[in-house]
Amino acid sequence: RKEVEQDPGPFNVPEGATVAFNCTYSNSASQSFFWYRQDCRKEPKLLMSVYSSGNEDGRFTAQLNRASQYISLLIRDSKLSDSATYLCVVKDTGGFKTIFGAGTRLFVKA
Amino acid sequence: DAEITQSPRHKITETGRQVTLACHQTWNHNNMFWYRQDLGHGLRLIHYSYGVQDTNKGEVSDGYSVSRSNTEDLPLTLESAASSQTSVYFCASSEPFQAGGRDTQYFGPGTRLTVL
Repeated sequence: RKEVEQDPGPFNVPEGATVAFNCTYSNSASQSFFWYRQDCRKEPKLLMSVYSSGNEDGRFTAQLNRASQYISLLIRDSKLSDSATYLCVVKDTGGFKTIFGAGTRLFVKA
Repeated sequence: DAEITQSPRHKITETGRQVTLACHQTWNHNNMFWYRQDLGHGLRLIHYSYGVQDTNKGEVSDGYSVSRSNTEDLPLTLESAASSQTSVYFCASSEPFQAGGRDTQYFGPGTRLTVL
């Protein structure tokens, strides 16, 4: 079993749709969680951190479920510019080990 | 503005040659990382460093080496390039929580390496 697993997709959605991605992790001691965005042939960039209480940044909402060991990312009112690969990232205690998921591809169509 | 740069951006080399990929950051971060990214595998950690003179092996370190002689640079060397090392290589840096940072990793633009 991979340490961080994501549905590779692709998710094909129309503009304005709501789309959700899930990510599961295997290490129950993991402490920090993030979502990164990666555009085609570009470097990954931090989208948002994921906090225990859940957090929102505009159209993006991240949730953490420690009991079930998964994190989620919800994108509301999808834009064409949201088309990208979304990487789930998990750090262990102390942040000494960072594991990247393989990513979920999203295509938003007009 | 602070940044992280990589060079070259594209490189084609032959099997058996030594290749060095450069990574330079002006964030003054202590932590630096090298990853490779291949289809279906996501980002895999090659080597990392927590400061000058400190280097550590990641999960896919065989055939690679790094050195850290200053804060800004972490060059990655492929001792004898193999076709299996054809990949996109990303360098990243971060400031750890312990130093008052958020431990967010900032990535360079990547180097696309082809080994023929």
